[in-house]
Amino acid sequence: AQTVTQSQPEMSVQEAETVTLSCTYDTSENNYYLFWYKQPPSRQMILVIRQEAYKQQNATENRFSVNFQKAAKSFSLKISDSQLGDTAMYFCAFMKWVQGAQKLVFGQGTRLTINP
Amino acid sequence: KAGVTQTPRYLIKTRGQQVTLSCSPISGHRSVSWYQQTPGQGLQFLFEYFSETQRNKGNFPGRFSGRQFSNSRSEMNVSTLELGDSALYLCASSLDPGGITEAFFGQGTRLTVV
Repeated sequence: AQTVTQSQPEMSVQEAETVTLSCTYDTSENNYYLFWYKQPPSRQMILVIRQEAYKQQNATENRFSVNFQKAAKSFSLKISDSQLGDTAMYFCAFMKWVQGAQKLVFGQGTRLTINP
Repeated sequence: KAGVTQTPRYLIKTRGQQVTLSCSPISGHRSVSWYQQTPGQGLQFLFEYFSETQRNKGNFPGRFSGRQFSNSRSEMNVSTLELGDSALYLCASSLDPGGITEAFFGQGTRLTVV
């Protein structure tokens, strides 16, 4: 079974600092997608960044970037110049194709607090 | 373009009752998935529908069921509610052109069973 592990239940940094959230996953599949989702107190799950497993280049979205190490099955998220609005739960998720349907498997989440 | 809409936002039910939650996907999206989020178990996959057919189901008891209508709107039903069913239920829609695409989530329905 596929599993996703986020080893940091909580993290806290000062505004404008850089923070890295860790994620490891376990799979025997070769074709899959990885995502980082952000869930603020409003509960809306918002996609932060995505990475296709077949792409070697790390994905980047403005202040958000990933370090994707396929062999190590590691997918960390780096947030640069952190802002107060980045305060949220962050979930790492693995997407696979099962029985003709896509299915997301989530990690337990990391609660990130950005302090002023 | 409107996002994924879930109704109601909050719900309080008593043990033994049943409940129906609704999800309207983004226009044009044909795949709808449901997830249960609890502090203890995290986010767990319930089931996924595409073109009114359930394609995939998670490891939940038969009390949890769902359906999808021809306009892609989906409902999930939980019968004989238990205290442990208290959770945030999230719905996600995706375009699903035959491959993996990103899922867009609604704001969820917070169900409290007392």
